[in-house]
Amino acid sequence: DAMVIQNPRYQVTQFGKPVTLSCSQTLNHNVMYWYQQKSSQAPKLLFHYYDKDFNNEADTPDNFQSRRPNTSFCFLDIRSPGLGDAAMYLCATSRGGRGNTEAFFGQGTRLTVV
Amino acid sequence: KQEVTQIPAALSVPEGENLVLNCSFTDSAIYNLQWFRQDPGKGLTSLLLIQSSQREQTSGRLNASLDKSSGRSTLYIAASQPGDSATYLCAVLNSGNTPLVFGKGTRLSVIA
Repeated sequence: DAMVIQNPRYQVTQFGKPVTLSCSQTLNHNVMYWYQQKSSQAPKLLFHYYDKDFNNEADTPDNFQSRRPNTSFCFLDIRSPGLGDAAMYLCATSRGGRGNTEAFFGQGTRLTVV
Repeated sequence: KQEVTQIPAALSVPEGENLVLNCSFTDSAIYNLQWFRQDPGKGLTSLLLIQSSQREQTSGRLNASLDKSSGRSTLYIAASQPGDSATYLCAVLNSGNTPLVFGKGTRLSVIA
């Protein structure tokens, strides 16, 4: 059974039209991450939560926002998508702290901007 | 700032060969290292996790080694199969509360 679930798998949005991607987890992990991955590139961290503590990467555009209403869910909001925001968006979780901090990823959401 | 490099960027081998993928990192003070597999258009699947105190981990035909002092890890794939064709990503964790830092991956093609 999938432990990190991303919806939708494919999202097409219009230039400038707000879009929300969702991620849920059944692992009860403290840490949730959002990565952006463009073709043939390494995943690039956008932000992560340690419990409710939000950590924004310095170079994450203001256009990108995130919400984590509870342990299980995390959302990525793109307020005004541009053509350059077309990418695969990956959600991941890990337990955080000490011990086994193995990260688990969802299947990703492929965002197309038209 | 931690940087992760994977060499080669792409590799093509005939079926049945044993192969090694390389990963290097600049800051040896890591907490753990994780190898992932990514199929085209899909998310990442965790293959092996090596804690900083460990030297290697094995799962089936996969063996990952870690040499912290030299900042290197290798992923050994035995008796490769066409189904092993994918991109393999290496990522390091500097502490339990910091995010993974990824390399760009090695794209593997196993030819039948």
